[in-house]
Amino acid sequence: DTGVSQDPRHKITKRGQNVTFRCDPISEHNRLYWYRQTLGQGPEFLTYFQNEAQLEKSRLLSDRFSAERPKGSFSTLEIQRTEQGDSAMYLCASSQGTVQETQYFGPGTRLLVL
Amino acid sequence: AQSVTQPDIHITVSEGASLELRCNYSYGATPYLFWYVQSPGQGLQLLLKYFSGDTLVQGIKGFEAEFKRSQSSFNLRKPSVHWSDAAEYFCAVGPNRDDKIIFGKGTRLHILP
Repeated sequence: DTGVSQDPRHKITKRGQNVTFRCDPISEHNRLYWYRQTLGQGPEFLTYFQNEAQLEKSRLLSDRFSAERPKGSFSTLEIQRTEQGDSAMYLCASSQGTVQETQYFGPGTRLLVL
Repeated sequence: AQSVTQPDIHITVSEGASLELRCNYSYGATPYLFWYVQSPGQGLQLLLKYFSGDTLVQGIKGFEAEFKRSQSSFNLRKPSVHWSDAAEYFCAVGPNRDDKIIFGKGTRLHILP
């Protein structure tokens, strides 16, 4: 069990640029979640996958955001035309199945949009 | 709508003292309840969870939490804190209709030497 990994750990970009983050879940986990955490707040759900199927997207996820999990393994989160309000920590978590199963979180990708 | 309230943004305790972090939830059915800890530069780590059964739940690192349905609370306790417990603690509740969990805003714990 190598844990959930995320890359990059930090990203600084200029407003209007596109960014892509990667999450590698624990290998046998079929569920993968993306959360966003801003300063002074708890994680807020963005979207999740069951294997390669994206089952739910939060209203927080505007059209500029897209997530994929092409083979049911790693996932990418892309933000197009970044805005300063996108600055946050983006967290990935994975679990074996339903909410009863523990979600294991990665260290996060901290995004700063200038 | 489901929600979680952590009334204390910051808590400061002396090393060796006891700790209680408060969590209140709003949920229409029997909730699943969680406490996570987040240390600087670290991912969120699950301390303990409650689904059913014994309302006193034991977790890792010497933490425990008690589910009180009548008070809609799930407070986290530790009898004697260590300097390494300084971190941010999040209470969470689920599942909502989409099988997700909702986090509170967190309580930052400071430890005095």
